[in-house]
Amino acid sequence: DAKTTQPTSMDCAEGRAANLPCNHSTISGNEYVYWYRQIHSQGPQYIIHGLKNNETNEMASLIITEDRKSSTLILPHATLRDTAVYYCIVRGNFGNEKLTFGTGTRLTIIP
Amino acid sequence: DAGVTQSPTHLIKTRGQHVTLRCSPISGHKSVSWYQQVLGQGPQFIFQYYEKEERGRGNFPDRFSARQFPNYSSELNVNALLLGDSALYLCASSLVYGQPQHFGDGTRLSIL
Repeated sequence: DAKTTQPTSMDCAEGRAANLPCNHSTISGNEYVYWYRQIHSQGPQYIIHGLKNNETNEMASLIITEDRKSSTLILPHATLRDTAVYYCIVRGNFGNEKLTFGTGTRLTIIP
Repeated sequence: DAGVTQSPTHLIKTRGQHVTLRCSPISGHKSVSWYQQVLGQGPQFIFQYYEKEERGRGNFPDRFSARQFPNYSSELNVNALLLGDSALYLCASSLVYGQPQHFGDGTRLSIL
């Protein structure tokens, strides 16, 4: 699975859009980009995933660049409950299903 | 619908003992995966089972084993516990192969 690079930490003001970047320059054609978050003392929560088109659901939007070497997770109106560690993961959808977690981005929402 | 449930939530063992952790997937989910999360790190993949067959194994010693039952629930067994096995053990399930995994809140295992 391709390796990802994320900033260690970010702050965002409550009510503003939180934009979390991820680099995955070695991604291959059949690999998806997945985003999870982990709030303290809980299991990781699935947020969104995509292959090459931008995706949106009730939680977030995922913007993938045309060359697929990077992506951005957007939380449109951040709340204090969005404070968590956010993991960007690249994974193929065939073969081994394992998710390879890095160290993620610690996002802190500031009141 | 209930999410992924794991039991027990907390467990304390001593070195050399063995432990069995249990996981019930989301209803209808056939794939179960196990992860270990040491404090301050991201989760690490241990096993994946689909339709009761092992489909993937991470870089863990043979002291770790798992199985999946006909109702798709799963057990993770760890023998000869070491201090370094202290961690949060997470179970995740997915509907079918290739779909997003959904995690339980884990079992926190402490080894004394």
